[in-house]
Amino acid sequence: DTGVSQDPRHKITKRGQNVTFRCDPISEHNRLYWYRQTLGQGPEFLTYFQNEAQLEKSRLLSDRFSAERPKGSFSTLEIQRTEQGDSAMYLCASTGQKNTEAFFGQGTRLTVV
Amino acid sequence: DAKTTQPPSMDCAEGRAANLPCNHSTISGNEYVYWYRQIHSQGPQYIIHGLKNNETNEMASLIITEDRKSSTLILPHATLRDTAVYYCIVLSAGNNRKLIWGLGTSLAVNP
Repeated sequence: DTGVSQDPRHKITKRGQNVTFRCDPISEHNRLYWYRQTLGQGPEFLTYFQNEAQLEKSRLLSDRFSAERPKGSFSTLEIQRTEQGDSAMYLCASTGQKNTEAFFGQGTRLTVV
Repeated sequence: DAKTTQPPSMDCAEGRAANLPCNHSTISGNEYVYWYRQIHSQGPQYIIHGLKNNETNEMASLIITEDRKSSTLILPHATLRDTAVYYCIVLSAGNNRKLIWGLGTSLAVNP
């Protein structure tokens, strides 16, 4: 257990539905990252928060994706109008001001049917 | 960001040392080399990182060549639980510490 928790661990949804994932980082960590990983590939960066500010978004993050970190603690990633291509593992990681390594959660595996 | 090149797969006998190579010939002077691993269906796990000097911790050793163009991760006594995909990453030079991942090396530790 790294101290980063993600919920749910698995989500199956029908195409066109909206889904929301939650990430609780290590409490004193001010930086939070979302990544997406498809089968056989390394994780791909999606977005990054420092405290409550979203400082960077990947071009992978289409208009259907939105992420928030309202109080600088937990974060949510919402996907609207899901498509089959959204099926992937969504990973959350956090790192502190002086920490040099990222701590990852176990991920949320999304399957769009 | 500097790219890394790793062999797609390697095998190792249980109890023997596993030596995982990584090439990062375009690394910049202020960029670190990081190693993570990912056991099947789990989130990635930090292993070790270094800048110039060799590093050792309870999990592994990291050997970085003098020109910094390549490195080797050493698992001194591999166990079956070390079977995983190992990623060598050169840390983004920016302050955000965004990780750029390649395909990694799939290490199979055999009994």
